[in-house]
Amino acid sequence: NAGVTQTPKFQVLKTGQSMTLQCAQDMNHNSMYWYRQDPGMGLRLIYYSASEGTTDKGEVPNGYNVSRLNKREFSLRLESAAPSQTSVYFCASSSQGGNTEAFFGQGTRLTVV
Amino acid sequence: GENVEQHPSTLSVQEGDSAVIKCTYSDSASNYFPWYKQELGKRPQLIIDIRSNVGEKKDQRIAVTLNKTAKHFSLHITETQPEDSAVYFCAASKGTAGKSTFGDGTTLTVKP
Repeated sequence: NAGVTQTPKFQVLKTGQSMTLQCAQDMNHNSMYWYRQDPGMGLRLIYYSASEGTTDKGEVPNGYNVSRLNKREFSLRLESAAPSQTSVYFCASSSQGGNTEAFFGQGTRLTVV
Repeated sequence: GENVEQHPSTLSVQEGDSAVIKCTYSDSASNYFPWYKQELGKRPQLIIDIRSNVGEKKDQRIAVTLNKTAKHFSLHITETQPEDSAVYFCAASKGTAGKSTFGDGTTLTVKP
């Protein structure tokens, strides 16, 4: 089992460029999440998907969109990147939403210049 | 929404000493409280969790206590070792359709 896999691991974008962060899990989990982690701050939820076919905004959704492509895959899109979106992004999944352990991907370090 | 506060933000202890990290939460409906450890450059990983129907849980050198009335929970690490050095996050959540709210993290340094 690979667990939760994110691509890419590193990315540099110019302001205004767009990109999609990919996430896939092979644990048959229902729920998936995207977090961002900034220095000195915890993990802030961007969007989540409680189950296949549903998505909801988290704490910091502005500037992002998501797609729950199927049960395995949950992608995060930046339509027009801004320097304020420079961060480390983590995808996570859990079997039963907020009631169970979240398994994290290895993270994507994104720099917007 | 849920608000989780975590203290202290940094903690330095001598090897062999105990370390305690405290969190408070605001939503009395929260019922699941996990703790994650994140080593430098790595992903967060669960080290222990507790549910609202339990007051304390232990796993070797790690324990978590929960006070539902006061809405706070704590992580206790005994006999600390240098490999315990990391950032520790608490979180609170509720329901199967919900999501976890994280504290801002505590950077623990264990000096040999």
